[in-house]
Amino acid sequence: AQSVTQLGSHVSVSEGALVLLRCNYSSSVPPYLFWYVQYPNQGLQLLLKYTTGATLVKGINGFEAEFKKSETSFHLTKPSAHMSDAAEYFCAVIGDDKIIFGKGTRLHILP
Amino acid sequence: EAQVTQNPRYLITVTGKKLTVTCSQNMNHEYMSWYRQDPGLGLRQIYYSMNVEVTDKGDVPEGYKVSRKEKRNFPLILESPSPNQTSLYFCASSLGEYNSPLHFGNGTRLTVT
Repeated sequence: AQSVTQLGSHVSVSEGALVLLRCNYSSSVPPYLFWYVQYPNQGLQLLLKYTTGATLVKGINGFEAEFKKSETSFHLTKPSAHMSDAAEYFCAVIGDDKIIFGKGTRLHILP
Repeated sequence: EAQVTQNPRYLITVTGKKLTVTCSQNMNHEYMSWYRQDPGLGLRQIYYSMNVEVTDKGDVPEGYKVSRKEKRNFPLILESPSPNQTSLYFCASSLGEYNSPLHFGNGTRLTVT
């Protein structure tokens, strides 16, 4: 059965600093991996997804994630944080037959 | 505009009073699903539907019902709500293929007193 672990329920970074949100997964089959973002009072929106092919995936708003099979990781990064990036981020995996979400990481941007 | 529409956005009710949360999508998606979001627990799937007249239980189906009579609509029914169903609910839809992303509604915040 697949699972997703997001390290850190809250992450704080300064405006302009690197954003790194960690996601590790387990899956018995090659996974499809997603990052979603949830802004206050809104539903989740797709940031990026990995299916097959290039392991470095670029998404919206300057975010990217790298699929590392050997580390079973799919960490989300952004070189320079903006205040508008403050939101909750969810990693998700589809492995066997259903999508599983991580518990989420709330990103705080410090001025 | 392609979207998933949920109504109402906010709902306060009392224990035992039947309620329905509506969900509609205009993208001709095959797959629809309901989730509840609770602090520290992330999103948990309640029910899903792969197509019209086909519904299946998710991880936390107790106390909920759904129906899929039309492709675009997937209402969530609480026959006898209880306080432990106080939560933020999301409807989502997708094309149904494994690598298809989910499109989410804006959520319904339900309080049961």
